[in-house]
Formats: sequence, structure tokens, C-alpha cells
Amino acid sequence: NAGVTQTPKFRILKIGQSMTLQCTQDMNHNYMYWYRQDPGMGLKLIYYSVGAGITDKGEVPNGYNVSRSTTEDFPLRLELAAPSQTSVYFCASKGTPETQYFGPGTRLLVL
Amino acid sequence: QKEVEQDPGPLSVPEGAIVSLNCTYSNSAFQYFMWYRQYSRKGPELLMYTYSSGNKEDGRFTAQVDKSSKYISLFIRDSQPSDSATYLCAMKEGSQGNLIFGKGTKLSVKP
Repeated sequence: NAGVTQTPKFRILKIGQSMTLQCTQDMNHNYMYWYRQDPGMGLKLIYYSVGAGITDKGEVPNGYNVSRSTTEDFPLRLELAAPSQTSVYFCASKGTPETQYFGPGTRLLVL
Repeated sequence: QKEVEQDPGPLSVPEGAIVSLNCTYSNSAFQYFMWYRQYSRKGPELLMYTYSSGNKEDGRFTAQVDKSSKYISLFIRDSQPSDSATYLCAMKEGSQGNLIFGKGTKLSVKP
């Protein structure tokens, strides 16, 4: 039981490039989340999903896109990377009662 | 006024001290209150979960919720160097809502 896994662990992007951050969970959770964490700023919700085929925007969705074709996978797509997207990205899934399980994070640097 | 306020610290204490971590909030509809612990370069992990008001104890950790004052606390007794981490409070309105996180308090326990 691996929990929530994320790839890659670290990535450097040039301004304007695109990439997909991968997230997979093996706990059969319906709810999944993408957060970004900037130094001293806590966690901000980017997108979330309540099940396969259903996604919705969080607090800071601009510049990102998501899809949820299976229960296990919830990839986050960055189009036209900007320096403001330099951050640590965490994927999470929700079990019961109200426990969110976080992945190890992806560190992204946009130069 | 931000929804959730948390002093970022850093907080440095000697081993064996009692630690008090706090958050205040403005939304009286919050019902679910959590504390997450995040070690450096790791994802957050759930430490304590409380529904509505009152106290909850788990080993050396006690979570306290005072809804009348919109104030939550986490107490750590007999603190250990292994408790050195960032502690994030989080809360939500109902079972369908999304978590709102504080910015986190960085704690260092010195041997």
C-alpha cells in the first residue's frame, strides 16, 4: 500500500514550457486534491475532484488544468509556465473521517 | 481579515517543554478542526482531528477547540527533538467542504 505517490520529485521549467505533474493513490478514495505551498504561505487549493470525471476549481486555479479519468489518477497540467508557478505542489486524497493523505510533493522551479 | 490566522513562528523550545500552538478563525460555520504535522521536505500528515468543540487527547498531544472564541490550540507535552516540524491548523465547514489551512508554525525542540 503506497498511499499517494507523485512524480516527478523535482523539475526545472523554462518560462512558457508545459508539463504534467502526476498523482496516483491506491486507497480507492473518491476525493482528490491539488495544493501548492509557497514559503510561509500555507497550502492553497488549486483543483479538486469528487470522483472520476468530476473536477472543480479551488482557490488558485489560474494557469492550471486537471483531469480525472480514473479513481486512482489525478494529473495536474501546467500550460505556459510562469515564474509565479514556482512552488511545491502536493496531491492529496481524502479518506474517513476527513483525513487527507498527502503525497511527498513535487518541487517546481520556473526560470 | 483572513479566514484562518496562525503565527508562523519560528518557535524554539528546550526538550521536555510544554508547547502551545494556536490558530484563530473568523468563520463561525467551521465545524471540523485538524492539526497537520509537516517535516522538512515532506508532505503534511494528520496529527489530530476534532469535530466541533472540546478537547481531544492522543498521547503527548492535546487538541482544544473553543468555538465561542473562534480559537483552536494544540498542546505538546514533554516535547522531543523529533517533534521539530511545521504544524498546520486546518478547518472546514461541513463534510462536503474543502479544508482551509493556516500558514503553519515552525517548531524547533532543542536537545
